[in-house]
Amino acid sequence: DTAVSQTPKYLVTQMGNDKSIKCEQNLGHDTMYWYKQDSKKFLKIMFSYNNKELIINETVPNRFSPKSPDKAHLNLHINSLELGDSAVYFCASSPTRRNEQFFGPGTRLTVL
Amino acid sequence: AQKITQTQPGMFVQEKEAVTLDCTYDTSDPSYGLFWYKQPSSGEMIFLIYQGSYDQQNATEGRYSLNFQKARKSANLVISASQLGDSAMYFCAMRIGAGSYQLTFGKGTKLSVIP
Repeated sequence: DTAVSQTPKYLVTQMGNDKSIKCEQNLGHDTMYWYKQDSKKFLKIMFSYNNKELIINETVPNRFSPKSPDKAHLNLHINSLELGDSAVYFCASSPTRRNEQFFGPGTRLTVL
Repeated sequence: AQKITQTQPGMFVQEKEAVTLDCTYDTSDPSYGLFWYKQPSSGEMIFLIYQGSYDQQNATEGRYSLNFQKARKSANLVISASQLGDSAMYFCAMRIGAGSYQLTFGKGTKLSVIP
């Protein structure tokens, strides 16, 4: 019955590799998001998709590319991983822009 | 410029006591929403409570209430009858504008409940 799920939960990889994080929501929401939480617990929005269309693209390096194959999925692909990409990445969804956002469990990415 | 300020990096409260977590915000847009989230040590983000800028009454959800003072631009979270399970990071967040999707988060307050 998981509302917003992410895979994998943990991801350990070498610098320079390419990796993807998958996100799925079964809530029927129109809008999905990716957030990054750094080591100091600061949460910052990266991307927002509404009905499969990119709405927000904050100042994120273009090594990060979101892909939304359908309304229920928003995947995050990261090229040429760097040490500074180590963080917890959260996927979230909301039914409309006005409502609270429901978060996935997070993916802890460690770049060695 | 930071739009959400949580001035208390850490707070302690005795079990069964009430505690107030501070949050101030800055916006000139008359339409905005304020949110509180809880992040326990397990890492998930749990939505607690929401207050809209046009809402006449302060929001309440069980033991959580939001002390919304519009003129002071503050949206403090009050947790009544603290429980050990309330120990967590608490984040205040704001959505600015009726057409906005973006949540801006504060830096969080770590609450520790003492038995």
